[in-house]
Amino acid sequence: AQSVTQPDIHITVSEGASLELRCNYSYGATPYLFWYVQSPGQGLQLLLKYFSGDTLVQGIKGFEAEFKRSQSSFNLRKPSVHWSDAAEYFCAVAPNAGGTSYGKLTFGQGTILTVHP
Amino acid sequence: NAGVTQTPKFQVLKTGQSMTLQCAQDMNHNSMYWYRQDPGMGLRLIYYSASEGTTDKGEVPNGYNVSRLNKREFSLRLESAAPSQTSVYFCASSPTGLETQYFGPGTRLLVL
Repeated sequence: AQSVTQPDIHITVSEGASLELRCNYSYGATPYLFWYVQSPGQGLQLLLKYFSGDTLVQGIKGFEAEFKRSQSSFNLRKPSVHWSDAAEYFCAVAPNAGGTSYGKLTFGQGTILTVHP
Repeated sequence: NAGVTQTPKFQVLKTGQSMTLQCAQDMNHNSMYWYRQDPGMGLRLIYYSASEGTTDKGEVPNGYNVSRLNKREFSLRLESAAPSQTSVYFCASSPTGLETQYFGPGTRLLVL
């Protein structure tokens, strides 16, 4: 069965500092990969996704992620964090198997980001 | 467009009571999903509907039933609520299974 691990439960950074959130997955083949963000009391919003092609993916709000097949990782990065980025971030995978496997997302446990002024 | 809407926003039940969580989307999406979110566990898929007229189990379906009433609406029913079902429930939809899933604001359920 596929699984997703986000090793960091909670990360604190200063505003303006760079950010990297880690995501590792376990799956037999390269799955489809996603990063979602959840602000307090809200639903989830997609930041970016990787299906194939260029391994560096650009998303909304200045985020990017890099897929590394050799490390089974899909880490999220931002060069300069803003206070409004404080939220919980979820990595997710979906099987690259077609048919009714589409859309069956498996989520990581989430990483809470705190931003100090 | 309202996107994905969920009712109610908050509900308190006693053990053994039943209730239905409602979800509707106005984006003409084919696929709809129900997730539960528990602290430290991320979101887990309960049931999904790839298209109108079809439903299938996700990772944690026990204790739940679903109905895809029409293309817009996908409801989640708890027949006999248990304290272990205390959670935040999210509904989501996507054009088909592969595209971005759009999430509703969630329903917070407390089972005493």
